[in-house]
Amino acid sequence: GAVVSQHPSWVICKSGTSVKIECRSLDFQATTMFWYRQFPKQSLMLMATSNEGSKATYEQGVEKDKFLINHASLTLSTLTVTSAHPEDSSFYICSAEYDRGYNEQFFGPGTRLTVL
Amino acid sequence: AQKITQTQPGMFVQEKEAVTLDCTYDTSDPSYGLFWYKQPSSGEMIFLIYQGSYDQQNATEGRYSLNFQKARKSANLVISASQLGDSAMYFCAMRERYTGANSKLTFGKGITLSVRP
Repeated sequence: GAVVSQHPSWVICKSGTSVKIECRSLDFQATTMFWYRQFPKQSLMLMATSNEGSKATYEQGVEKDKFLINHASLTLSTLTVTSAHPEDSSFYICSAEYDRGYNEQFFGPGTRLTVL
Repeated sequence: AQKITQTQPGMFVQEKEAVTLDCTYDTSDPSYGLFWYKQPSSGEMIFLIYQGSYDQQNATEGRYSLNFQKARKSANLVISASQLGDSAMYFCAMRERYTGANSKLTFGKGITLSVRP
């Protein structure tokens, strides 16, 4: 149980285009989902916290207009990278919170974005 | 100050031996949780073990155990009987109940573990 999927697993796009990444909790409902960014050999950097039915909470330094987050249902959150540029190339990982007595985050498999 | 510190840049261990991965943390929150995750080269984050700040016993999950020393603010991961499949990046993370909004996790920089045959 507690499986989180991400789609697509990898994407290559041209500079200036927008890319949408989906994060789904497959067998549980997640009020809260998180979006992370990870550069090679580095740690996960939290970008934003996504709450179902409300606006996302962005971490300091993360551009809200560039990284649009929508949490339309209890099983789906989307991250849209708008007007992508090569510096946005990274590994994006989502997680969904699941209450096991303590709140645990289950992670999706990640999406590798390459902007040409 | 860093909330989670993982200073070992890379660790090597012989197959079937035990290895300890270090993690120290910093918080003034009396209620917090500590997590260890494994990230193989494929990228997915795999949950290994959890320790709550009020837990009396050190957490164990199969070959993984957590050496929790609250006074020293350390939460080292011990992997017993290492396997080749244990080669991966390992992250220590913390969630603070009162100062960490929305249950967000703070991650350390990670440690690369390589298991030698």
